[in-house]
Amino acid sequence: SQQGEEDPQALSIQEGENATMNCSYKTSINNLQWYRQNSGRGLVHLILIRSNEREKHSGRLRVTLDTSKKSSSLLITASRAADTASYFCATYLWGQNFVFGPGTRLSVLP
Amino acid sequence: SQTIHQWPATLVQPVGSPLSLECTVEGTSNPNLYWYRQAAGRGLQLLFYSVGIGQISSEVPQNLSASRPQDRQFILSSKKLLLSDSGFYLCAWSVQGASETQYFGPGTRLLVL
Repeated sequence: SQQGEEDPQALSIQEGENATMNCSYKTSINNLQWYRQNSGRGLVHLILIRSNEREKHSGRLRVTLDTSKKSSSLLITASRAADTASYFCATYLWGQNFVFGPGTRLSVLP
Repeated sequence: SQTIHQWPATLVQPVGSPLSLECTVEGTSNPNLYWYRQAAGRGLQLLFYSVGIGQISSEVPQNLSASRPQDRQFILSSKKLLLSDSGFYLCAWSVQGASETQYFGPGTRLLVL
């Protein structure tokens, strides 16, 4: 089954630095999405990139998608302490359900 | 605008007791609805999804069941809780027919003792 696997599992950086998280999956997709989860809270949708797109931006977020390598990356620029959270990628294929990876725990130190 | 509610926020239940978690969506009609479970520090496991009233699909065999008595209401139940049922339960919805994005509720933390 298709499955997103985030890498690294945990990431700790200083405020102001960039944070890069990677996601790999196994099968064809229609789109890939990134979600954020603050501790003990629900997931919040951040950005969606379609299978025919290679890069997408939203504020300080930059997502890339390489369908030939079945991988995606999420870059958060100029990180802030408030960016501390877990980040999940989810793959979607029409007619099937979303599949979430195990997530990357990001800690941004002040 | 659409909102999704879950309650209770936290629940502590003894082993063998029943369970009922409720999820309601406002501001949309005929949504797809989902129940996920998240173990501590882990990803999401899809438990059930529903494309309409009374239509429930189960992803994994388990001690839980789901029902959708109304268009925007999704209930997760158990007759007898197990220790392994402890976790963080998340309800989500997506637009019927164009379900590219899911919108999550705040979650219910369940501790079975």
